[in-house]
Amino acid sequence: AQSVTQLGSHVSVSEGALVLLRCNYSSSVPPYLFWYVQYPNQGLQLLLKYTTGATLVKGINGFEAEFKKSETSFHLTKPSAHMSDAAEYFCAVSDRTDKLIFGTGTRLQVFP
Amino acid sequence: NAGVTQTPKFQVLKTGQSMTLQCAQDMNHNSMYWYRQDPGMGLRLIYYSASEGTTDKGEVPNGYNVSRLNKREFSLRLESAAPSQTSVYFCASSEGGVYTEAFFGQGTRLTVV
Repeated sequence: AQSVTQLGSHVSVSEGALVLLRCNYSSSVPPYLFWYVQYPNQGLQLLLKYTTGATLVKGINGFEAEFKKSETSFHLTKPSAHMSDAAEYFCAVSDRTDKLIFGTGTRLQVFP
Repeated sequence: NAGVTQTPKFQVLKTGQSMTLQCAQDMNHNSMYWYRQDPGMGLRLIYYSASEGTTDKGEVPNGYNVSRLNKREFSLRLESAAPSQTSVYFCASSEGGVYTEAFFGQGTRLTVV
């Protein structure tokens, strides 16, 4: 069965610092991987996704993630945090059916 | 430009009461989903529907029923609400098939007292 593990339920960074949110997956088939962001009192919206091809994926708002098969990881990064990045971030995996399996989420705080 | 619309946005129920959460999408998507979100547990799939007329259980279906009324609408029913069903419920839709992006509604915050 597919699953994702997000290390760290809370991450705090200073404005301008590197953002690194960790995600490791388990999948019996080549996975489709996703990062979603949830701003307070809102639904989730897609940041980026990996399906096939280039392993470095760029998303919205300056975020990117790299698929590393050897490490079963799909960590999310942003070179310079902005106050507006404060939100909860979810990693998700699909087993190439109609279902998405989400991680438990990482809440990002950005301090001035 | 509505996307996925959920009603109501907030609801308080007494234990044992029933209610239906409504969801509609205007993107002509084939697949629709109901998730619940609880602190520290992420989003867990309750039920999903890969096409009109079909529904399937997800990870946490107990205590819930669903209806895919037509291609646009997918409702979630709690027959006899329990405090353990206090949660935020999200409806989502996608084109389906080989997985594509899911679009989420704004959520329904349900409290069962």
